[in-house]
Amino acid sequence: GAGVSQSPRYKVAKRGQDVALRCDPISGHVSLFWYQQALGQGPEFLTYFQNEAQLDKSGLPSDRFFAERPEGSVSTLKIQRTQQEDSAVYLCASSLAPGREETQYFGPGTRLLVL
Amino acid sequence: SQQGEEDPQALSIQEGENATMNCSYKTSINNLQWYRQNSGRGLVHLILIRSNEREKHSGRLRVTLDTSKKSSSLLITASRAADTASYFCYTGGGNKLTFGTGTQLKVEL
Repeated sequence: GAGVSQSPRYKVAKRGQDVALRCDPISGHVSLFWYQQALGQGPEFLTYFQNEAQLDKSGLPSDRFFAERPEGSVSTLKIQRTQQEDSAVYLCASSLAPGREETQYFGPGTRLLVL
Repeated sequence: SQQGEEDPQALSIQEGENATMNCSYKTSINNLQWYRQNSGRGLVHLILIRSNEREKHSGRLRVTLDTSKKSSSLLITASRAADTASYFCYTGGGNKLTFGTGTQLKVEL
């Protein structure tokens, strides 16, 4: 079956622009995660959804970052007024069961470059 | 802060040799997972070991878990060039859901 997909794969934004990153999880997966990965670093947790409920957003670095999953499937990560330090790969993952300790299936990521 | 910390940060071996990497974590866990990331396939789940397990095998992979020391090790036997990747441990327990810093494994022909 289809895996996790993300779009766009690459995004170049001018500083100050707003961007929206999309994640299509595996159909039926309850849990959805967003991570930020800087070059040469491990993925850093941003936020976690269980169905449409955002249960943890403690990793969002500032109030410029906003995520939603209104119908419990597709999710969008929005970054307002982008800054150069937002340049990173944004990874989305989903897992079948609720909870944070289940196997996660990752998308290919969106590489964001803020100029 | 990182929940998991891998060691070593980088490892270079010859094809056919074994590779061992370690992970330490800070809080109590229900399970620990290892993931691999390379440029071709992104982040892929390798193996999950539960807190009541001490050792688990999957093909050429062997994982151990010592909850008293809050550490885990991943052994890759008979390594292949295709094993070249970064390896991360992941613990979903505690307040932080983070991957470690990763071990960059390079397997040379």
